[in-house]
Amino acid sequence: SQQGEEDPQALSIQEGENATMNCSYKTSINNLQWYRQNSGRGLVHLILIRSNEREKHSGRLRVTLDTSKKSSSLLITASRAADTASYFCATDASLIKAAGNKLTFGGGTRVLVKP
Amino acid sequence: DTEVTQTPKHLVMGMTNKKSLKCEQHMGHRAMYWYKQKAKKPPELMFVYSYEKLSINESVPSRFSPECPNSSLLNLHLHALQPEDSALYLCASSQGRSPTGGRETQYFGPGTRLLVL
Repeated sequence: SQQGEEDPQALSIQEGENATMNCSYKTSINNLQWYRQNSGRGLVHLILIRSNEREKHSGRLRVTLDTSKKSSSLLITASRAADTASYFCATDASLIKAAGNKLTFGGGTRVLVKP
Repeated sequence: DTEVTQTPKHLVMGMTNKKSLKCEQHMGHRAMYWYKQKAKKPPELMFVYSYEKLSINESVPSRFSPECPNSSLLNLHLHALQPEDSALYLCASSQGRSPTGGRETQYFGPGTRLLVL
């Protein structure tokens, strides 16, 4: 079942603008991750934020996490045409101690960056 | 080598066929995953292997049969599939859980696009 809901479902911006997308989830989590997927190919991990962290940066990416509201946001600054992709949040609420974690993905945001 | 490879890239099969999807990683990861993704939908977890043993089966129909022959390989055997099984099948791997609970990032392969006629 889908744990996370993302909004907006689609976003169209001009190159150079910022893109912000939000993710909400329902249960307690260990961490929340953001992935990018280009046009039906494999997913690429972007950033992971743990439940005890509030903000994280990686290059042009900024992620926030508010566990009291069960929500996260991903900001892409100074967007480029190459940022055109679908972006998914994924929550890890694994209880198992063995190797492997169970990720539950949100519905995704399709971002189009126009040159 | 930081890559997960999947073969074939595309597969067309009839409902009576038997086929297999293959996934390989050489990163020393001890957890491997199969996901199914329909168009414009998020990936849905099917199976998790932990140290070559099946640890999670998300109530997947028995016409999908996973196999982990060794720590680098993961197969998905397909038999008597239905047209609604047409999707992108993604394999992923991760290092596995450390004592501090880290290393949860999953590395995905490019996927196999499956069409069932």
